[in-house]
Amino acid sequence: GAVVSQHPSRVICKSGTSVKIECRSLDFQATTMFWYRQFPKKSLMLMATSNEGSKATYEQGVEKDKFLINHASLTLSTLTVTSAHPEDSSFYICSAAGGSGRTETQYFGPGTRLLVL
Amino acid sequence: AQTVTQSQPEMSVQEAETVTLSCTYDTSENNYYLFWYKQPPSRQMILVIRQEAYKQQNATENRFSVNFQKAAKSFSLKISDSQLGDTAMYFCAFMKHGGATNKLIFGTGTLLAVQP
Repeated sequence: GAVVSQHPSRVICKSGTSVKIECRSLDFQATTMFWYRQFPKKSLMLMATSNEGSKATYEQGVEKDKFLINHASLTLSTLTVTSAHPEDSSFYICSAAGGSGRTETQYFGPGTRLLVL
Repeated sequence: AQTVTQSQPEMSVQEAETVTLSCTYDTSENNYYLFWYKQPPSRQMILVIRQEAYKQQNATENRFSVNFQKAAKSFSLKISDSQLGDTAMYFCAFMKHGGATNKLIFGTGTLLAVQP
């Protein structure tokens, strides 16, 4: 149980285009989903927290107009990187919390590697 | 603000031996959760073990166990009978009690290499 999927696993795009990443909780309803960014050999950096049906809460320094988050249902959250630039290239990871019995435990997706050319 | 410190950037252990990874944290909270996550080369974050601060008994999951010292704010992970598949980055994390919306505070990680 507690499986989280992410799609796509890898994406290459041109500078100036937008990219959407999906995060799904496959076998539980996630009241809260989180989006992280991870640089090579570094820890995870929280970008934003999203709750189903409400606006996401962004961490300080994260541009909400650049990183659009939508949490449309209890099993799906999306992160859209708008007008992507090479400096947005990174590894993006989502997590989901709210599974029965361990509502506070975050389960992570496999991550999405974004390369902006 | 809460902080999590992992003082060992890298560690190495021989297959079948035991290794302990250190983690200390700082908080003024009384109720909280502590976690160890593993990130192998695939980069998938995997929950290894979870401890609730109000429980005095140390959590165990098969070959993985913790030594939770609440007064000392220490939460070390012991891996017994190390296997090659244990090679990964290990992150210690803290979360305040209070529900699914609370954030995880991660340490900087310890890169563990299991040698054949």
